[in-house]
Amino acid sequence: QVQLQESGPGLVKPSQTLSLTCTVSGPSVNNGGYYWSWIRQHPGKGLEWIGYIDFSGSTYYNPSVKSRVSISIDTSKNQFSLKLSSVTAADTAVYYCARQTGYYYYAMDVWGQGTTVTVSS
Amino acid sequence: EIVLTQSPGTLSLSPGERATLSCRASQSVSSSHLAWYQQKPGQAPGLLIYGASSRATGISDRFSGSGSGTDFTLSISRLEPEDFAVYYCQHYSSSSGVTFGPGTKVDIK
Repeated sequence: QVQLQESGPGLVKPSQTLSLTCTVSGPSVNNGGYYWSWIRQHPGKGLEWIGYIDFSGSTYYNPSVKSRVSISIDTSKNQFSLKLSSVTAADTAVYYCARQTGYYYYAMDVWGQGTTVTVSS
Repeated sequence: EIVLTQSPGTLSLSPGERATLSCRASQSVSSSHLAWYQQKPGQAPGLLIYGASSRATGISDRFSGSGSGTDFTLSISRLEPEDFAVYYCQHYSSSSGVTFGPGTKVDIK
Protein backbone atom coordinates (compact mmCIF):
# COMPACT_ATOMS: atom_id res chain seq x y z
CA GLN A 1 0.00 0.00 0.00
CA VAL A 2 1.39 3.36 -1.02
CA GLN A 3 1.79 6.00 1.66
CA LEU A 4 3.17 9.51 1.47
CA GLN A 5 4.39 11.51 4.47
CA GLU A 6 5.41 15.15 4.50
CA SER A 7 8.06 16.43 6.89
CA GLY A 8 9.80 19.71 7.56
CA PRO A 9 9.77 22.82 9.74
CA GLY A 10 6.39 24.13 10.76
CA LEU A 11 7.67 27.66 11.16
CA VAL A 12 9.74 29.61 8.64
CA LYS A 13 10.90 33.21 8.90
CA PRO A 14 10.02 35.71 6.18
CA SER A 15 12.55 35.89 3.33
CA GLN A 16 13.93 32.45 4.18
CA THR A 17 13.53 29.22 2.23
CA LEU A 18 10.77 26.74 3.01
CA SER A 19 12.00 23.14 2.68
CA LEU A 20 9.74 20.11 2.85
CA THR A 21 10.30 16.44 2.11
CA CYS A 22 7.82 13.76 1.10
CA THR A 23 8.78 10.20 1.95
CA VAL A 24 7.16 7.55 -0.23
CA SER A 25 6.44 4.13 1.26
CA GLY A 26 5.73 1.52 -1.34
CA PRO A 27 6.65 1.86 -4.98
CA SER A 28 9.89 3.47 -5.99
CA VAL A 29 9.80 7.12 -7.04
CA ASN A 30 11.77 5.77 -9.98
CA ASN A 31 8.55 4.28 -11.30
CA GLY A 32 8.08 5.78 -14.72
CA GLY A 33 4.32 5.81 -14.44
CA TYR A 34 3.98 8.63 -11.91
CA TYR A 35 4.51 12.29 -11.29
CA TRP A 36 5.27 13.39 -7.74
CA SER A 37 3.40 16.56 -6.88
CA TRP A 38 3.18 19.32 -4.31
CA ILE A 39 -0.07 21.12 -3.58
CA ARG A 40 -0.86 23.72 -0.95
CA GLN A 41 -3.98 25.06 0.70
CA HIS A 42 -4.08 28.50 2.28
CA PRO A 43 -6.12 28.76 5.47
CA GLY A 44 -9.80 28.38 4.66
CA LYS A 45 -9.12 28.38 0.91
CA GLY A 46 -9.00 25.98 -2.01
CA LEU A 47 -6.22 23.85 -3.45
CA GLU A 48 -3.27 25.33 -5.32
CA TRP A 49 -0.96 23.12 -7.37
CA ILE A 50 2.71 24.04 -6.89
CA GLY A 51 4.44 21.66 -9.26
CA TYR A 52 5.60 18.12 -9.94
CA ILE A 53 8.64 16.07 -10.80
CA ASP A 54 8.78 12.84 -12.74
CA PHE A 55 11.07 9.84 -12.41
CA SER A 56 13.59 11.35 -14.81
CA GLY A 57 13.86 14.57 -12.82
CA SER A 58 11.85 16.66 -15.23
CA THR A 59 9.84 19.33 -13.45
CA TYR A 60 6.80 21.47 -14.16
CA TYR A 61 5.88 24.40 -11.94
CA ASN A 62 2.88 26.64 -11.45
CA PRO A 63 3.77 29.98 -13.08
CA SER A 64 2.60 31.78 -9.94
CA VAL A 65 5.55 30.39 -7.95
CA LYS A 66 7.91 29.30 -10.70
CA SER A 67 10.59 31.87 -9.94
CA ARG A 68 10.84 30.75 -6.30
CA VAL A 69 10.24 26.98 -6.39
CA SER A 70 12.38 23.93 -6.87
CA ILE A 71 11.31 20.28 -6.66
CA SER A 72 13.89 17.52 -6.53
CA ILE A 73 13.90 13.77 -6.18
CA ASP A 74 16.16 11.46 -4.15
CA THR A 75 15.77 7.94 -5.43
CA SER A 76 18.17 6.52 -2.83
CA LYS A 77 15.83 7.62 -0.03
CA ASN A 78 12.61 7.26 -2.04
CA GLN A 79 11.79 10.89 -1.33
CA PHE A 80 11.01 14.05 -3.20
CA SER A 81 11.41 17.55 -1.88
CA LEU A 82 10.08 21.08 -2.20
CA LYS A 83 12.04 24.28 -1.76
CA LEU A 84 10.28 27.64 -1.87
CA SER A 85 12.50 30.67 -1.52
CA SER A 86 11.88 34.21 -0.30
CA VAL A 87 8.76 33.25 1.60
CA THR A 88 6.24 35.72 2.94
CA ALA A 89 3.14 35.42 5.09
CA ALA A 90 1.26 34.62 1.87
CA ASP A 91 3.07 31.27 1.78
CA THR A 92 1.48 30.20 5.07
CA ALA A 93 -0.52 27.11 4.16
CA VAL A 94 -0.99 23.39 4.56
CA TYR A 95 1.37 21.68 2.12
CA TYR A 96 0.46 18.31 0.64
CA CYS A 97 2.49 15.90 -1.41
CA ALA A 98 0.67 13.58 -3.79
CA ARG A 99 1.24 10.88 -6.36
CA GLN A 100 -0.15 11.69 -9.77
CA THR A 101 -0.54 9.15 -12.53
CA GLY A 102 1.83 10.19 -15.29
CA TYR A 103 -0.17 8.85 -18.17
CA TYR A 104 -3.68 9.09 -19.66
CA TYR A 105 -5.65 10.21 -16.58
CA TYR A 106 -3.12 12.30 -14.61
CA ALA A 107 -5.18 12.13 -11.42
CA MET A 108 -3.74 12.39 -7.92
CA ASP A 109 -4.58 9.05 -6.39
CA VAL A 110 -2.53 9.09 -3.19
CA TRP A 111 -2.03 12.08 -0.88
CA GLY A 112 0.01 12.72 2.21
CA GLN A 113 -1.77 13.92 5.32
CA GLY A 114 -0.41 17.44 4.88
CA THR A 115 1.88 19.59 6.96
CA THR A 116 1.16 23.11 8.18
CA VAL A 117 3.78 25.74 7.47
CA THR A 118 3.55 29.16 9.06
CA VAL A 119 5.68 32.04 7.83
CA SER A 120 6.29 34.41 10.70
CA SER A 121 9.14 36.16 12.43
CA GLU B 1 -4.45 28.87 -19.23
CA ILE B 2 -7.50 26.78 -18.37
CA VAL B 3 -9.73 28.11 -15.60
CA LEU B 4 -12.19 25.85 -13.81
CA THR B 5 -15.37 27.31 -12.32
CA GLN B 6 -17.49 25.33 -9.88
CA SER B 7 -21.09 25.95 -8.97
CA PRO B 8 -22.78 26.38 -6.69
CA GLY B 9 -20.29 27.59 -4.12
CA THR B 10 -22.35 25.99 -1.38
CA LEU B 11 -25.05 23.37 -1.67
CA SER B 12 -27.32 22.89 1.34
CA LEU B 13 -29.11 19.55 1.28
CA SER B 14 -30.57 16.96 3.61
CA PRO B 15 -29.36 13.37 3.99
CA GLY B 16 -30.98 11.16 1.38
CA GLU B 17 -31.25 13.94 -1.19
CA ARG B 18 -29.41 14.01 -4.51
CA ALA B 19 -26.53 16.42 -5.03
CA THR B 20 -25.50 17.77 -8.42
CA LEU B 21 -22.24 19.70 -8.63
CA SER B 22 -21.00 21.51 -11.71
CA CYS B 23 -17.48 22.14 -13.02
CA ARG B 24 -17.07 24.32 -16.08
CA ALA B 25 -13.80 24.80 -17.98
CA SER B 26 -12.87 28.03 -19.74
CA GLN B 27 -12.14 26.04 -22.90
CA SER B 28 -12.80 22.53 -24.11
CA VAL B 29 -10.70 19.99 -22.24
CA SER B 30 -10.00 16.29 -22.50
CA SER B 31 -12.41 14.26 -20.39
CA SER B 32 -9.57 11.86 -19.64
CA HIS B 33 -7.81 14.57 -17.68
CA LEU B 34 -10.73 15.68 -15.49
CA ALA B 35 -10.89 14.44 -11.89
CA TRP B 36 -12.97 15.08 -8.76
CA TYR B 37 -11.78 15.07 -5.14
CA GLN B 38 -13.53 15.09 -1.78
CA GLN B 39 -12.07 16.91 1.22
CA LYS B 40 -13.41 16.63 4.74
CA PRO B 41 -12.43 19.11 7.48
CA GLY B 42 -8.89 18.56 8.72
CA GLN B 43 -8.17 15.88 6.13
CA ALA B 44 -6.28 15.68 2.89
CA PRO B 45 -8.30 15.52 -0.32
CA GLY B 46 -9.12 12.08 -1.69
CA LEU B 47 -9.65 11.02 -5.29
CA LEU B 48 -13.28 10.27 -6.14
CA ILE B 49 -13.53 10.29 -9.92
CA TYR B 50 -10.91 10.23 -12.67
CA GLY B 51 -11.31 10.42 -16.40
CA ALA B 52 -14.50 12.42 -15.77
CA SER B 53 -16.58 9.31 -15.06
CA SER B 54 -14.49 6.48 -13.57
CA ARG B 55 -14.80 5.88 -9.85
CA ALA B 56 -11.57 5.55 -7.90
CA THR B 57 -10.89 2.39 -5.93
CA GLY B 58 -13.26 1.94 -3.02
CA ILE B 59 -15.58 4.79 -3.95
CA SER B 60 -19.30 4.15 -3.47
CA ASP B 61 -21.48 3.83 -6.56
CA ARG B 62 -23.56 6.67 -5.12
CA PHE B 63 -20.93 8.89 -6.71
CA SER B 64 -20.96 9.36 -10.45
CA GLY B 65 -19.27 11.71 -12.86
CA SER B 66 -20.23 12.79 -16.33
CA GLY B 67 -19.62 15.44 -18.93
CA SER B 68 -17.40 16.43 -21.79
CA GLY B 69 -15.98 19.48 -23.50
CA THR B 70 -16.40 22.34 -21.04
CA ASP B 71 -19.15 21.03 -18.75
CA PHE B 72 -18.71 18.31 -16.16
CA THR B 73 -20.94 17.09 -13.34
CA LEU B 74 -20.44 15.18 -10.12
CA SER B 75 -23.60 13.58 -8.79
CA ILE B 76 -24.19 12.01 -5.41
CA SER B 77 -27.36 9.96 -5.60
CA ARG B 78 -28.38 9.76 -1.93
CA LEU B 79 -26.42 11.87 0.50
CA GLU B 80 -25.04 10.05 3.50
CA PRO B 81 -23.80 11.95 6.58
CA GLU B 82 -20.18 11.26 5.57
CA ASP B 83 -20.69 12.92 2.16
CA PHE B 84 -20.98 16.42 3.59
CA ALA B 85 -17.64 17.87 2.53
CA VAL B 86 -15.96 20.10 -0.03
CA TYR B 87 -15.60 18.82 -3.59
CA TYR B 88 -12.98 19.98 -6.07
CA CYS B 89 -12.65 19.36 -9.77
CA GLN B 90 -9.17 19.25 -11.28
CA HIS B 91 -7.75 19.24 -14.77
CA TYR B 92 -4.35 18.42 -16.19
CA SER B 93 -2.89 19.59 -19.44
CA SER B 94 0.64 19.25 -20.76
CA SER B 95 0.69 22.97 -21.55
CA SER B 96 -0.92 24.40 -18.39
CA GLY B 97 -0.09 21.81 -15.77
CA VAL B 98 -2.63 21.15 -13.02
CA THR B 99 -5.63 23.37 -12.28
CA PHE B 100 -8.14 23.02 -9.46
CA GLY B 101 -11.59 24.53 -9.32
CA PRO B 102 -12.49 26.68 -6.30
CA GLY B 103 -14.61 23.94 -4.75
CA THR B 104 -18.23 23.31 -3.82
CA LYS B 105 -19.16 22.85 -0.19
CA VAL B 106 -22.00 20.41 0.44
CA ASP B 107 -23.42 21.08 3.85
CA ILE B 108 -26.35 19.83 5.87
CA LYS B 109 -29.57 21.77 5.44
